[in-house]
Amino acid sequence: AQKVTQAQTEISVVEKEDVTLDCVYETRDTTYYLFWYKQPPSGELVFLIRRNSFDEQNEISGRYSWNFQKSTSSFNFTITASQVVDSAVYFCALSADSGAGSYQLTFGKGTKLSVIP
Amino acid sequence: DAMVIQNPRYQVTQFGKPVTLSCSQTLNHNVMYWYQQKSSQAPKLLFHYYDKDFNNEADTPDNFQSRRPNTSFCFLDIRSPGLGDAAMYLCATSRGTSGTYNEQFFGPGTRLTVL
Repeated sequence: AQKVTQAQTEISVVEKEDVTLDCVYETRDTTYYLFWYKQPPSGELVFLIRRNSFDEQNEISGRYSWNFQKSTSSFNFTITASQVVDSAVYFCALSADSGAGSYQLTFGKGTKLSVIP
Repeated sequence: DAMVIQNPRYQVTQFGKPVTLSCSQTLNHNVMYWYQQKSSQAPKLLFHYYDKDFNNEADTPDNFQSRRPNTSFCFLDIRSPGLGDAAMYLCATSRGTSGTYNEQFFGPGTRLTVL
């Protein structure tokens, strides 16, 4: 069974502050994929990043960075110098092959980020 | 632009009145998924199609059915909507190449209200 835990239900920060969203996962699969999605109020899930289980290299994309640590089963997401447009619900998700190439996503419960001007 | 389209974006139905939600894609992906997302909750997978093969999640109620007449379209049928079925319904697609992960692309969702 797969499980994703996002312990932070809601976070509020003042604009320009840095914020880290935590994600802890559980899986028995040796090959798996981790994701972060952003869901703004409009409702669409926007893909941010995918990381496979064999690649622990951290990644930076503009103001976004991700820290993947297999030793602690964590895949944390940091937004640097937050902006009001970053306000959204952020979901961490885990996926492994359910068979025949159709990977299923297991989502965490999401963290609602509010960036206050 | 290649994309996943869901119609309508907002749907209102009456308790017990059948309703159909539509999803289409221009990505030519093999796999199409339907998720249910209730307020302040994570998306929950209902079922998916790999080409024409239907895969139902074990805990998806019988009230929910799906059809995929061709590669581009997939429908979600709710036979007798209850108040508890009010939610956002998200369609997603992915390529299905065995042994290789392919990320899922989501549509904008259909928000269903049951009166």
